Order: sequence, then structure tokens, then C-alpha cells
Amino acid sequence: EVQLVESGGGLVQPGGSLRLSCAASGFTLSGHTMNWVRQAPGKGLEWVSSISSSSDTIYYADSVRGRFTISRDNAKNSLYLQMNSLRDEDTAVYYCARGYMDFVYWGQGTLVTVSS
Amino acid sequence: IVMTQTPLSSPVTLGQPASISCRSSQSLVNSDGNTYLSWLQQRPGQPPRLLIYQISNRFSGVPDRFSGSGAGTDFTLKISRVEAEDVGVYYCMQATQFRHGPTFGQGTKVEIK
Repeated sequence: EVQLVESGGGLVQPGGSLRLSCAASGFTLSGHTMNWVRQAPGKGLEWVSSISSSSDTIYYADSVRGRFTISRDNAKNSLYLQMNSLRDEDTAVYYCARGYMDFVYWGQGTLVTVSS
Repeated sequence: IVMTQTPLSSPVTLGQPASISCRSSQSLVNSDGNTYLSWLQQRPGQPPRLLIYQISNRFSGVPDRFSGSGAGTDFTLKISRVEAEDVGVYYCMQATQFRHGPTFGQGTKVEIK
């Protein structure tokens, strides 16, 4: 069974940093593009970043470029999102999702709250 | 690419059909000839779940009361007979211009009358 489990969320002050992790099981991470998508409280879905299977292609949304860094460790079957210079508007549930063009599997999400 | 869904709210009687429209600001036909338009369901308190990919292909385990159609810039998700478990928010998503980032519609809330 394919499972994606996010962790690392929490409360952080504006300007602070957090590192999110997504642990994959039930499939081999190295064969798939992976993504982060976020959802602010009561709002819709917003794509954040994507990374190809071998990490040679990476994309970011304009809203996070220069502040967030996506990475992966295929040997550990894990995906990461390093978030720096956090702002109030980064408050959201962050989901990892598997897929290129079609986001086939989604994790349960981890909540990031940016507040003083 | 901007995705626009209508309606934003759809009260439906159990057993009756429901239909959601999604329009893109430009054609979603990819250079490979495929159209990367998918539909996601998000039940209350749950993560999104893939229902339909590439316009009309049902994902594994999705009931056949869900169907997708359309082409170019206009797409539709239909539920032939709404059941209680179908309550939630439905999003269309395009990934045709993946390098510029997938984009989502605003979401359509399906609720029971």
C-alpha cells in the first residue's frame, strides 16, 4: 500500500525556519517526481514545489522561490522541504504528493503555523 | 494558467446528478498530445484524493458514477447519482505547463440538500 507521511510542522515565528519531511512507503521513491502542495486554513490548494526523480529538475512557485528548498533522499525514501524566512501567509497544511502531471497519491499533511 | 470552476457551491439531493464545470485560461493540450486535466476530491478533514486524470480516466477504486469529459479549455466532472460519501470539495487541476507550476480551480463544495 502506498503511503506518504508528512512531519515537521509546528508553530514558528515570522522570519523563522522549519524543515518538513515526507516519508514514503509501499513504493520506490526514486522512480517518481514528488511535489509539495499547501492549503491555507479554509482555502484552496496551492502548488509549492516539485522535484524530479533524480533531483535534476526542480520548480518553485513564485511565492516561495528563494525562501524554500525542496530536496529528496531516495536511499531513505524521503522528501524534504526546507522553509526559511517564513511569513504569516505561509501558514497552511503542507501535503506531499507523488506524480508528474497527475498527483496520484497524497499524504495526510502537516500543519505549519507562522505567528508571533 | 488560471482555472475557473463553476458553481462554487452545489447543493444536491441524494440520488440526483451533479455537474461541475472547469474552464482554463488557455488550452491544456500538451506538446505530447495529452491533456493534463485532473479532478480531485477532498472530503471534510481529509487530504485531496485523485478521482480523474487526463480528462476522463478514473483512478483505481473510483466509483463509476464519477465521469470526466471535455477538451481544450472546457471540462466537466459529473456525478451520476450523488451519495452521502460524495460530500466535500472538488478541485480541477491542470499540469500541462508543469514547469510553470500546476494550478488548481477554486474548488466546488458539494453538499446534500
